[in-house]
Amino acid sequence: KQEVTQIPAALSVPEGENLVLNCSFTDSAIYNLQWFRQDPGKGLTSLLLIQSSQREQTSGRLNASLDKSSGRSTLYIAASQPGDSATYLCAAPYSGGGADGLTFGKGTHLIIQP
Amino acid sequence: SAVISQKPSRDICQRGTSLTIQCQVDSQVTMMFWYRQQPGQSLTLIATANQGSEATYESGFVIDKFPISRPNLTFSTLTVSNMSPEDSSIYLCSVIIVQGQPQHFGDGTRLSIL
Repeated sequence: KQEVTQIPAALSVPEGENLVLNCSFTDSAIYNLQWFRQDPGKGLTSLLLIQSSQREQTSGRLNASLDKSSGRSTLYIAASQPGDSATYLCAAPYSGGGADGLTFGKGTHLIIQP
Repeated sequence: SAVISQKPSRDICQRGTSLTIQCQVDSQVTMMFWYRQQPGQSLTLIATANQGSEATYESGFVIDKFPISRPNLTFSTLTVSNMSPEDSSIYLCSVIIVQGQPQHFGDGTRLSIL
């Protein structure tokens, strides 16, 4: 059974800093890995999906990397802004497949100070 | 991505009653899932909603408590039966449009049991 761990649990930084959120998973036989953000009282917004054949995926100021052999992924946020404040969730497929439900980490609660 | 509508968005219910949550998608999708997010926790997969057949439940979730229907490729329902205060959670529907693509979530149903 897949298990996902996220470090740190919480992070507070001044606006403008670059930061890295970490995710580790136990079953490396995955097709992909997905990063989400969740704003208070809201649903989840998909940020990036990395396929197992990829090492990196970029969207604007966000860059996600995937290292299947070590069971790790990172989300890099460049030039952070107060609007980036949210909880960031890493999720891996339950059993490795491309059409599986997801196992989520507990998230990193991020606060960007103006 | 698809537009996912969940109804109701929130409800307050009496213990012992049942509530059915609807998930409607604006296009046909390959996969539909239901998740639960308990207060202060991350998401847990309840089941995969299978079109025209019984849902596939994860460990700890049973059909008698969480009956699920999926009559077509755009619609699914989750019923929370014989509710107790422990069922107070956010229930979220998610979809995969095509296998291998990102999973997208509805805004969730916030359920409180008195």
